[in-house]
Amino acid sequence: DSGVTQTPKHLITATGQRVTLRCSPRSGDLSVYWYQQSLDQGLQFLIHYYNGEERAKGNILERFSAQQFPDLHSELNLSSLELGDSALYFCASSVVATANTDTQYFGPGTRLTVL
Amino acid sequence: AQSVTQLGSHVSVSEGALVLLRCNYSSSVPPYLFWYVQYPNQGLQLLLKYTSAATLVKGINGFEAEFKKSETSFHLTKPSAHMSDAAEYFCAVRDQTGANNLFFGTGTRLTVIP
Repeated sequence: DSGVTQTPKHLITATGQRVTLRCSPRSGDLSVYWYQQSLDQGLQFLIHYYNGEERAKGNILERFSAQQFPDLHSELNLSSLELGDSALYFCASSVVATANTDTQYFGPGTRLTVL
Repeated sequence: AQSVTQLGSHVSVSEGALVLLRCNYSSSVPPYLFWYVQYPNQGLQLLLKYTSAATLVKGINGFEAEFKKSETSFHLTKPSAHMSDAAEYFCAVRDQTGANNLFFGTGTRLTVIP
């Protein structure tokens, strides 16, 4: 158990809908990263938050957005869902934002299925 | 920009045999490299990381990796495979342009044959 929790574990929805994925980082970790794992794209970085502020964006679609709240949990919002958004979404947390030796600890993921 | 390439999407070994999973990196600066393992229906678990302190890095579950700058490689090895090692393994390099995220390879699925 990494200490990172993600809810829900599974999510099934229809095209055009909007969903929210939730992540609680390990106690004491200020950084939250979101990654998407799909069969055709592999593991891709989406976005990084540190202590409530957005730090970096990766291959995140405009239909997707995220935020980190004062209690440090984070939510990833996916809207106007398409079939191709079906994937496993991981959250990872780490203590700081910029230390190269810092370790990212991954949650169990949320499996999103868009029908 | 940093990237990693994993050679071999599937590797099969017999129980008790040597495990060798290959990873080559590309980086214009000294890289920070990681190996993660993903068991079925689970998240990624850190096996080991290279942070320039030592070229031979020992990780959990008997795995180790050696950083070879001349070969731009960071291959993962284990002397004797166990059935419980069957999983998918990902090599990753940290972005050092400011985002600090990880760039992952495409993964290698390890099968252990009894």
